[in-house]
Amino acid sequence: GQQLNQSPQSMFIQEGEDVSMNCTSSSIFNTWLWYKQDPGEGPVLLIALYKAGELTSNGRLTAQFGITRKDSFLNISASIPSDVGIYFCAGGFGTYKYIFGTGTRLKVLA
Amino acid sequence: GAVVSQHPSWVICKSGTSVKIECRSLDFQATTMFWYRQFPKQSLMLMATSNEGSKATYEQGVEKDKFLINHASLTLSTLTVTSAHPEDSSFYICSAIGQGTLNTEAFFGQGTRLTVV
Repeated sequence: GQQLNQSPQSMFIQEGEDVSMNCTSSSIFNTWLWYKQDPGEGPVLLIALYKAGELTSNGRLTAQFGITRKDSFLNISASIPSDVGIYFCAGGFGTYKYIFGTGTRLKVLA
Repeated sequence: GAVVSQHPSWVICKSGTSVKIECRSLDFQATTMFWYRQFPKQSLMLMATSNEGSKATYEQGVEKDKFLINHASLTLSTLTVTSAHPEDSSFYICSAIGQGTLNTEAFFGQGTRLTVV
């Protein structure tokens, strides 16, 4: 099945550092969603983006819908240990069908 | 956010038997539900899209006769894995989209871990 490329695949950071990850595609999307998944759990929605260029924040998280509509970015500021997990982007078409990124595994060192 | 509940959370079954997984939207009406499969350390792969009252649309490579999907009401969709085999062992996750033209956010259930022995 189709997947979006997410980068980086994994990262180890120190508590308090900022984190950046991105998602790229060869296709154009109408919606970008960012999720966090803890082990053995379903993904939890963090941020939803609906317009090219849109910048949206949710607490320490900020995400942007790329101008070309083929990419999206997620930033986490001042990371804390509970930020550990796998972050997925998902690109959506008009029919609400979402394709998921390959995931970024984040580990935060206290 | 909206709540989507899956049942069971985990199931172990014998090879050759069938298993049914339920996905319910608890506080909203879900016009569309999606079923995903996730293998260890991999991303979510869309299996099928189901709309209430109509046949599911399956992704390429997903056997519709093996993975039966029923979306009988606006709050319930079921996935039945028929004649399960060990290679069907995976984490199955559903998501739901609510009614309303602006509501395109997909909310996920907690997942069902299927182990076929």
